[in-house]
Order: sequence, then structure tokens, then C-alpha cells
Amino acid sequence: SQQGEEDPQALSIQEGENATMNCSYKTSINNLQWYRQNSGRGLVHLILIRSNEREKHSGRLRVTLDTSKKSSSLLITASRAADTASYFCATAGRGDKLIFGTGTRLQVFP
Amino acid sequence: SAVISQKPSRDICQRGTSLTIQCQVDSQVTMMFWYRQQPGQSLTLIATANQGSEATYESGFVIDKFPISRPNLTFSTLTVSNMSPEDSSIYLCSVEAVPRGADTQYFGPGTRLTVL
Repeated sequence: SQQGEEDPQALSIQEGENATMNCSYKTSINNLQWYRQNSGRGLVHLILIRSNEREKHSGRLRVTLDTSKKSSSLLITASRAADTASYFCATAGRGDKLIFGTGTRLQVFP
Repeated sequence: SAVISQKPSRDICQRGTSLTIQCQVDSQVTMMFWYRQQPGQSLTLIATANQGSEATYESGFVIDKFPISRPNLTFSTLTVSNMSPEDSSIYLCSVEAVPRGADTQYFGPGTRLTVL
């Protein structure tokens, strides 16, 4: 199965700035999810957006989904040093399998 | 939510040996998943393990290389057999969120494997 592409591969910003990451995928989906990974450890689920939704918010996170362009974006507002991590999008089609994107490494400087 | 533990957390192994990774969940789950994350890369699904049936392997992964056991609803093992340096990766197990239909997965902390 093919992975989605994420850009940028790496992003460095200052605390307080917003961080935007983009994800593109190839096949039809039921939902798209974003996960966070700290320093090569386990992944933590952040947010899920279903194929019939266009935008979703959770705290400082805002996710958009454009199924016509097969793309999604994750916006983290007012970033903090603790947001430093790798962020992965994952698509779910029929069944329970997730297909992960290539990931964005975010570095937030104090 | 589910709490997942993995053992060992890391290991350094010699070429040609095998390592069995354990995944323990604090609740009963039907589906468990095993992923590989090569250095600096994303996650790739190795197989899906349902209790009471043979694991389903993804393209590029075979049972002889990655045998999986799923003896009950809270436990699974993944063995990396006849290891080579190319097997150096983080191996993660995950479980479906409960109740089913939530479509998300909970991940273990991973096992960092280095093969010399």
C-alpha cells in the first residue's frame, strides 16, 4: 500500500508561532487521522476527521480535509516547545488498517 | 483508552539470531497490529493479529520472517527471525480503540531493535 506524502518534511519555528503541516493521499478514505510521535516512541492520536467533514478543531489543533484534492492540513496555533515532535497523518479506508504518511518533524524553539 | 506495554523496550542483537517482542494490553481487544518504523521513516504495517486466527500479513512481510502469536485478547508477540542489520527498526504494536467504530488506534511505546 502506498503511503501519503507530507510536507514539509521538517519545520522549525519559534514559540508562539503557528505550524502548518500538509498531507496528501492517493485513495478514497473513510477518515483521516493525525498522530504525534515524540523521539521515536509510541504514537499518540491527536484528531480524526471523517470524509464528510471539512474542518475540525481540538484545543490548539485545527484540521481541514479536502477530499476532492485528496489532501489535509494540520494547524497548531500558538506553538510551544513541548509541541516538538514528529507528526504523521494516517488514512483509513474500508477495514481497520491505517496507512501512514511520511511525517513532518516539527522543532519549536523557546 | 488502552494502556499498552511492550517488552523489551530496546535490544541489541547479533546477525542471524531471533528476537521475540511482547505486547500487553490492559483491556480485551479483538484486533492488534504490528508496525515497523525504519530509522527516520514512517510506520509500515507488518500484520494484523486477531485472536483465534492466523495473522494477516501485508505485502512484503512473510510469516517465516515475522511469526506472530495471539494467544488471548490481551497479548501478542512478534518474532523477528534470522535478523540482519536491515531489520534495525522500531517495532510498535497497536490496538483498535474501544468501542469499535472509533477508528483510531492506541500504540505501545515501541521496541527499538539494533542488529549488528
